[in-house]
Amino acid sequence: DAGITQSPRHKVTETGTPVTLRCHQTENHRYMYWYRQDPGHGLRLIHYSYGVKDTDKGEVSDGYSVSRSKTEDFLLTLESATSSQTSVYFCAISANREQFFGPGTRLTVL
Amino acid sequence: GDSVTQMEGPVTLSEEAFLTINCTYTATGYPSLFWYVQYPGEGLQLLLKATKADDKGSNKGFEATYRKETTSFHLEKGSVQVSDSAVYFCALSSYNAGNMLTFGGGTRLMVKP
Repeated sequence: DAGITQSPRHKVTETGTPVTLRCHQTENHRYMYWYRQDPGHGLRLIHYSYGVKDTDKGEVSDGYSVSRSKTEDFLLTLESATSSQTSVYFCAISANREQFFGPGTRLTVL
Repeated sequence: GDSVTQMEGPVTLSEEAFLTINCTYTATGYPSLFWYVQYPGEGLQLLLKATKADDKGSNKGFEATYRKETTSFHLEKGSVQVSDSAVYFCALSSYNAGNMLTFGGGTRLMVKP
C-alpha cells in the first residue's frame, strides 16, 4: 500500500463548471502523475509532477491544469468541464521506477 | 515514440484453462516491462515486472518473459481461477526523466466456473 488516496471518488457535474480532483500521498514520493482511463485507450498521462511546483504535460493535457504546492498533494483541475472529460481518473506515484496507483475518481460531465 | 500493443479482449476461459495474453512493444533502448492488473472498481496493481532481456517476472502463478528479439512480454498462467477475472495492462518504461509509463489498451479476462 503506497498510501495514495483520491477525492472525491465519484462526481457528477455539468458542462462548463470547474472541477478539482485531489490526490494525496503519505510517503513523500517525488513523482506524481494524473492519468485518465477510457475504454480501448488504456491509461493516458495527463500531467505529471517531479517536485513541489514542478509539473509537466503528458499526452492528453489539453483542458486540464495541475498544481502541487505541497509534496503530498497533487491537484487536477478541469477549468470548464466538457462531456469528453467524462472518464475515470487515476493518480499514481513512482517509487523505484515502479508506479503505484490510487483507487480512482469516476467523473461524469453531463 | 514508445508504444505497447495488447491483444484485444475480452478473453473468456473456463476455470483451470491455460492463459496467454499477448503484448508487444516499440521503444528505443532497453525499457523495463510491466504487467498491471485491475480488479473491478479498483485501481491498478503491479502484477509483475522485468527489467532486462531474458528476465522472467512472476507472481501469483502468472509469468512473463522479456523477449528482446521479438519485442514481446506475453503474460501466461497455467491454470486460471474465477478470481483472476480482471483487466490486464501491459506497460513499459523507457529511461526518461519522468519515470513515465506507456500503457497498452488493456485486455479483459473473464473466467467462468
